[in-house]
Amino acid sequence: QSALTQPASVSGSPGQSITISCTGTSSDVGAHNYVSWYKQQPGRAPRLMIYDVSNRPSGVSNRFSGSKSGNTASLTISGLQPEDEADYYCSSYTSSTTFYVFGTGTKVTVL
Amino acid sequence: QITLKESGPTLVKPTQTLTLTCTFSGFSLSTTGVGVGWMRQPPGKALEWLALIYWDDDKRYSPSLQSRLTITKDASKNQVVLTMTNMDPVDTATYYCAHRIKWLVYFDYWGQGTLVTVSS
Repeated sequence: QSALTQPASVSGSPGQSITISCTGTSSDVGAHNYVSWYKQQPGRAPRLMIYDVSNRPSGVSNRFSGSKSGNTASLTISGLQPEDEADYYCSSYTSSTTFYVFGTGTKVTVL
Repeated sequence: QITLKESGPTLVKPTQTLTLTCTFSGFSLSTTGVGVGWMRQPPGKALEWLALIYWDDDKRYSPSLQSRLTITKDASKNQVVLTMTNMDPVDTATYYCAHRIKWLVYFDYWGQGTLVTVSS
């Protein structure tokens, strides 16, 4: 089972919106609404930002939103802020024997 | 308040066995639905899921590493232990443990991670 595919980097200016894609297969992203997104700042543990495709945990800004179409999930950050600069990872449950798979990671840069 | 903390050696030699302990508070591994998973992240690389254990002792492993991994729990001590045999330099990574609920497919609380270097 390969990792989910994400763009290596995405950048935007403060106040702009950016979208990070996460492409999987019909065995993972396409088969289940169990996509989650994590934010990881340098030297820190991952933090859950989105679960079940589009749900935000308590305490996560509503500037973060998630969606899915077919085998591709997306994370959108609106009103980009300097503190959004981090690595972002998607993950999904998979019907294959891998059971759980992460994405390749995307570095978000605020210009 | 849920917290988790990983502990174990920072340096292991090739071919040795790594034993990591996740000590947690704020939840019990005797409670229906509760689980603890292990992930790792090589320097500058992506996260990788390794193993998962639930309150009922159901265990899941990454197929690519299953032959080398063992996950166990001691609910009375609030600990989960991961062992990985035959360590190799490519296993150098930060290892994380995290909390999840069986029917909620995400890890909601993570430990700070512990860096393990494999070198002779």
